[in-house]
Amino acid sequence: QVHLVESGGGVVRPGRSLRLSCAASGFTFSNYGIHWVRQAPGKGLEWVSVISYDGINKYYADSVKGRFTISRDNSKNTLYLQMNSLRAEDTAVYYCASPRDENSGYPDYWGQGTLVTVSS
Amino acid sequence: DIVMTQTPLSLSVTPGQPASISCKSSQSLLHSDGTTYLSWYLQKPGQSPQLLIYEVSRRFSGVPDRFSGSGSGTDFTLKISRVEAEDVGVYYCMQGIHLLPLTFGGGTKVEIK
Repeated sequence: QVHLVESGGGVVRPGRSLRLSCAASGFTFSNYGIHWVRQAPGKGLEWVSVISYDGINKYYADSVKGRFTISRDNSKNTLYLQMNSLRAEDTAVYYCASPRDENSGYPDYWGQGTLVTVSS
Repeated sequence: DIVMTQTPLSLSVTPGQPASISCKSSQSLLHSDGTTYLSWYLQKPGQSPQLLIYEVSRRFSGVPDRFSGSGSGTDFTLKISRVEAEDVGVYYCMQGIHLLPLTFGGGTKVEIK
């Protein structure tokens, strides 16, 4: 079955960088576009970014554009999110999410998330 | 961006009783391909969101049939025919007609009386 495991979260000072990873298994990773979605403490869900199956097309929410970079390594079945110039408002649990099938394209299966805390 | 508005913010339900959550979008979610791209998720306490319903009324694999979705255009409803204790959590709707960005409703918290 689909299994997504995020890692790389932690406490970081404003202005610094962090790289998140999402290890995928249980499906053909290289066939699917994958999303990052975040959730600030006690708040709702905010879509962050998506990358196409081949890594060519990348899209971002306005709130992170120019600061975050999504990438993937299909040989390692792993998704990444490089987060630069972090701000307090980036504090959230970050989830990677994959589609249910090749017709979906939506965040259907979610990992358990990794917490990023931006604080001085 | 498409704005998704959920009501109510919270709901307290007696086990075995029905529950209903409304979701309204600022634009129609009907695609030119004839599909309406509205999904429902449940986030149980301490867990990540899980998909319940997609394309308005299609139950995801393993989702009990007490969950049903309905609606069209801009108005949608998630119904739980008989609420069970395991249904507690926060329910979110999400629009998928405009992928960039995908947008979610603010959430409806369901508790057991």
